Amino acid sequence: DAKTTQPPSMDCAEGRAANLPCNHSTISGNEYVYWYRQIHSQGPQYIIHGLKNNETNEMASLIITEDRKSSTLILPHATLRDTAVYYCIVRATGRRALTFGSGTRLQVQP
Amino acid sequence: GAVVSQHPSWVICKSGTSVKIECRSLDFQATTMFWYRQFPKQSLMLMATSNEGSKATYEQGVEKDKFLINHASLTLSTLTVTSAHPEDSSFYICSAPLGGTTRTDTQYFGPGTRLTVL
Repeated sequence: DAKTTQPPSMDCAEGRAANLPCNHSTISGNEYVYWYRQIHSQGPQYIIHGLKNNETNEMASLIITEDRKSSTLILPHATLRDTAVYYCIVRATGRRALTFGSGTRLQVQP
Repeated sequence: GAVVSQHPSWVICKSGTSVKIECRSLDFQATTMFWYRQFPKQSLMLMATSNEGSKATYEQGVEKDKFLINHASLTLSTLTVTSAHPEDSSFYICSAPLGGTTRTDTQYFGPGTRLTVL
């Protein structure tokens, strides 16, 4: 699986946008980028995924650079309930299971 | 969205006993499910892939005779931890894929089962 690099922790003020970066410089052309989050003591929750175009859903936006070597997950208006560990995962071709890295611990401050 | 449940949500058992954990896809069918394990302050690690109608495939270093997996139906996979020991205490999480293709499907995770072996 292509390796991902994320900052270990970030803080964000409630109501502000949270921008979580991820580097995946060894990504292959047909590998997708997935984002999940894990709130304490719960199973991971799917957020969004994309290949090369920017994606948006009701939870977040995913911005992938043109060279696909990095991406940013954007939570437009963070709330306290968004406090969680966020995982950026590059899904290997032909592999359905996910390989989790250490993720970014996002703390939303009141 | 798709819902995956697990039962029990937590279990405490004595060393040497066996514990069964169930994973169900509530509103969709899954021929494949995945079992992960997460130790405190660590990330999720894939243990095995559960396949309906065939044997499970285990990741390197995971003992297949200790962690028995049975994919009994298109909505149920079970993980049995046999002869549990304190080092098996962990958070066990299952997932099932839905939608897209095998390249683009989305994994939906259960809420997890916390196992404590005394």
